[in-house]
Amino acid sequence: DIQMTQSPSSLSASVGDRVTITCRASQNIRTYLNWYQQKSGKAPKLLIYAASTLQSGVPSRFSGSGYGTDFTLTISSLQPEDFATYSCLQSYTAVWAFGQGTKVEIK
Amino acid sequence: EVQLVESGGALVQPGGSLRLSCAASGFTFSDHYMDWVRQAPGKGLEWVGRSRNKAKSYTTEYAASVKGRITISRDDSKSSLYLQMDSLKTEDTAVYYCARISSGSNTHFDYWGQGTLVTVSS
Repeated sequence: DIQMTQSPSSLSASVGDRVTITCRASQNIRTYLNWYQQKSGKAPKLLIYAASTLQSGVPSRFSGSGYGTDFTLTISSLQPEDFATYSCLQSYTAVWAFGQGTKVEIK
Repeated sequence: EVQLVESGGALVQPGGSLRLSCAASGFTFSDHYMDWVRQAPGKGLEWVGRSRNKAKSYTTEYAASVKGRITISRDDSKSSLYLQMDSLKTEDTAVYYCARISSGSNTHFDYWGQGTLVTVSS
């Protein structure tokens, strides 16, 4: 099975900061990589699919990139509502797998 | 409006069984693959398993951590997804979400339910 490794596991940032989260797959997954945002006690919300396609309604400060094994989620200017946990999800194989999550906290 | 509503979560003893349900509305349920995802307290998301649609013969997939102990089924006439869990372990304690896979590409979850809590404890 494909393993997904996210880094960092947590980070502290200030409003207005540029934030980058990475996700590495244990084998080539082409662009079958999605990003989700989850706030405490809530269901995850889709941000990015197919590595770089912004889900409808998601602010343009969110962007995704990458191919193969290395992927990045970038928040260009962190807003107060962006403090949450972010998780990647590979959907290349029949058995899907999440990264362990990155918690973005207020500095 | 797409809605997914899970139910059936409960406190159950180790070794016990439980059946979760997910009632779907606002879309053509039979067109979509549907999955279960869980999240243990304070932990990350874990993919549990899938039910494909009729076009794919309702085939299923399971995570290695639960294979042999769970069965995913669906009833398209009721727009409902089910998760039968047997031989439950304390490590199965989690919020269980049902999630819809986007039609066409079948590459991502586009809608989630609010989750139902399963606690396995003596």
